[in-house]
Amino acid sequence: DVKVTQSSRYLVKRTGEKVFLECVQDMDHENMFWYRQDPGLGLRLIYFSYDVKMKEKGDIPEGYSVSREKKERFSLILESASTNQTSMYLCASSPGQRRGYGQPQHFGDGTRLSIL
Amino acid sequence: DAKTTQPNSMESNEEEPVHLPCNHSTISGTDYIHWYRQLPSQGPEYVIHGLTSNVNNRMASLAIAEDRKSSTLILHRATLRDAAVYYCILRRETSGSRLTFGEGTQLTVNP
Repeated sequence: DVKVTQSSRYLVKRTGEKVFLECVQDMDHENMFWYRQDPGLGLRLIYFSYDVKMKEKGDIPEGYSVSREKKERFSLILESASTNQTSMYLCASSPGQRRGYGQPQHFGDGTRLSIL
Repeated sequence: DAKTTQPNSMESNEEEPVHLPCNHSTISGTDYIHWYRQLPSQGPEYVIHGLTSNVNNRMASLAIAEDRKSSTLILHRATLRDAAVYYCILRRETSGSRLTFGEGTQLTVNP
């Protein structure tokens, strides 16, 4: 089974701190994604990457950056954390399109981040 | 991406079949229909997907209308562990691997 592991289930940080959320997948997937999930707003895509060192903005990239130095690891960075970034953060991975269309995404269990 | 419409909530009894509807009247020919579910305190989990024909797997069945403007996820015998939010998502080939989640249907399973 595919495993997507997020480094922390719960994290508390202070306003203005630089925050790193780490995600690792063990299935050699080309694509990796970061979402945030908020009540009433559903899951929203922040950034995604379809290859090492490649990244694409999602729907809400402001205030975030990402890093993908190795295929299995995708990091989300909050440059200067703010209280409106308190949320559940979900990482996902999927095979690239050369393996066929319709490939499912596999999600981690999420990091609940609180910014005080 | 085309929009989907799902009921906010549904209830079912344990060991009975559940039919979760999804309307997608603006679906295009290259849109795949995906279903995911999210159990409490977990990330979303892939359930099933299809393009035109009905699909079955170990978790569920997907029935797609002939005009593809609606689909139904079928859980053949609901268990308490099936209580979750179910998301119906259209994914266009040209959008690559992106998924756009809506609000989904909260399924409650009564013992």
